[in-house]
Amino acid sequence: AQSVTQLDSQVPVFEEAPVELRCNYSSSVSVYLFWYVQYPNQGLQLLLKYLSGSTLVKGINGFEAEFNKSQTSFHLRKPSVHISDTAEYFCAVPDISNFGNEKLTFGTGTRLTIIP
Amino acid sequence: DARVTQTPRHKVTEMGQEVTMRCQPILGHNTVFWYRQTMMQGLELLAYFRNRAPLDDSGMPKDRFSAEMPDATLATLKIQPSEPRDSAVYFCASGSPGPTFGSGTRLTVV
Repeated sequence: AQSVTQLDSQVPVFEEAPVELRCNYSSSVSVYLFWYVQYPNQGLQLLLKYLSGSTLVKGINGFEAEFNKSQTSFHLRKPSVHISDTAEYFCAVPDISNFGNEKLTFGTGTRLTIIP
Repeated sequence: DARVTQTPRHKVTEMGQEVTMRCQPILGHNTVFWYRQTMMQGLELLAYFRNRAPLDDSGMPKDRFSAEMPDATLATLKIQPSEPRDSAVYFCASGSPGPTFGSGTRLTVV
C-alpha cells in the first residue's frame, strides 16, 4: 500500500511570508497526489491535485505544489500567506493496491499557523 | 456549488445506544466514502462504495458498525451499540479522483 509522510506537524509563519509544507510519498509506480485543507470545525476541501501532465500544479487560494518524481515529493507552497490560511493541511495518495485510484490514504497533517 | 450533505452535524448519545449518520452524496458521483477523524488516529477510511455496492469495509469494526447505500442519494453509517471510543468526527465524501467531503458529524458517546 502507498503512504505519505508529512514531515512537519506544525508550521508557524509570519503573515505575508512564504510557506512550504512538505509531503513525501512512497511509491514505485506513477501516482496521483492531493492536498486538502481543513479549517476549524469544517470538512476537508480539495486544494489541488496532480493526476498527470505538468509537474507544477496550481490550486485554489494561491497555493501551488510541485510533483518531483526523483525525490518522491509533492510539497505545497504559497508565496505570501494570510491570516485566513490558518488551517490543517493534509497530503493524500490513493491506495492502488486493490481498488484503482479511488481510495485515499491521508498523511498526519500539518497545522499552519499564521502570525500577525 | 454542489456539496455533500451530512446529518446530524452533532450527536451526543449514551453508551449502548444506536447511532445513525446520514449522507447525501453529490448527484452523479458514483463513489462514496466514510472516513473517521480522531486526534490519535487521524483520518481513517471506514467504508467505500462504488455504484452503491460496498467495495471495501476493512477499516470498519464489523461487530458494531454497518454501512449501506439504500439508494443513490443516501448513504448511512450505523453504530450499534455505541461505545465511548467511537467518539470522533465522521466524514462522508463522494466523487473520485479527489473526493468532495461533507462537513462531518461530530459524535460524542458518553
